[in-house]
Amino acid sequence: EVQLVESGGGLVQPGGSLRLSCVGSGLTFSNYRIHWVRQVPGKGLVWASGITTDGSITKYADSVKGRFTISRDNAKNTVYLQLKSLSAEDTAVYYCATSGTNSWTPFNSWGQGTLVTVSS
Amino acid sequence: QSALTQPASVSGSPGQSVTLSCTGTSSDVGRYDFVSWYQQLPGNAPKLMIFDVTKRPSGVSDRFSGSKSGDTASLTISGLQADDEADYYCCSYTPTNTNPLVFGGGTKLTVL
Repeated sequence: EVQLVESGGGLVQPGGSLRLSCVGSGLTFSNYRIHWVRQVPGKGLVWASGITTDGSITKYADSVKGRFTISRDNAKNTVYLQLKSLSAEDTAVYYCATSGTNSWTPFNSWGQGTLVTVSS
Repeated sequence: QSALTQPASVSGSPGQSVTLSCTGTSSDVGRYDFVSWYQQLPGNAPKLMIFDVTKRPSGVSDRFSGSKSGDTASLTISGLQADDEADYYCCSYTPTNTNPLVFGGGTKLTVL
């Protein structure tokens, strides 16, 4: 069974930084592109970032470009999302999700999410 | 790129069929067959229900089907059941956009 587990969320002050992790099991992790999708509680889904299998190509939504950095360590079955210059608008549950080896869509498997709260 | 447009809410009675719409533009939904649909039960992570407009992942009930006409994609749920009550999101992938993956705002499906 494919399992994705996010961690690293928590309370952070405006302007602060945080690093999220997504650990995969039950799959050949290095065969999957990985994405981060966020959701403000009670609101809709918003794609934030994605990374290819070898980490050579990364993509970002305009709203996070220049502030978030996605990376991966296939030896640890882990993808990271570094969040910087955070504001209240970044408060959300952050999900990681997989897509295929050579495709950016669809999001086949999802983790349960980690909550990031930006507040003073 | 703007979010795709979905109705905020749809309702139906058990056994009925309902259709949820997802409207984009001629540059995204209308141009590419990369529309996917996700079901999100309360308190849960999203689940893939339909991909590439019409394809159904293994394990997803054949009561769920997808289609597209012009700039609008649709998800049809037949034989509505109580546990279909959830939020449903469409998502479009546009390879030529700098913001290539966009979701709709979501539709709350209520089973009466």
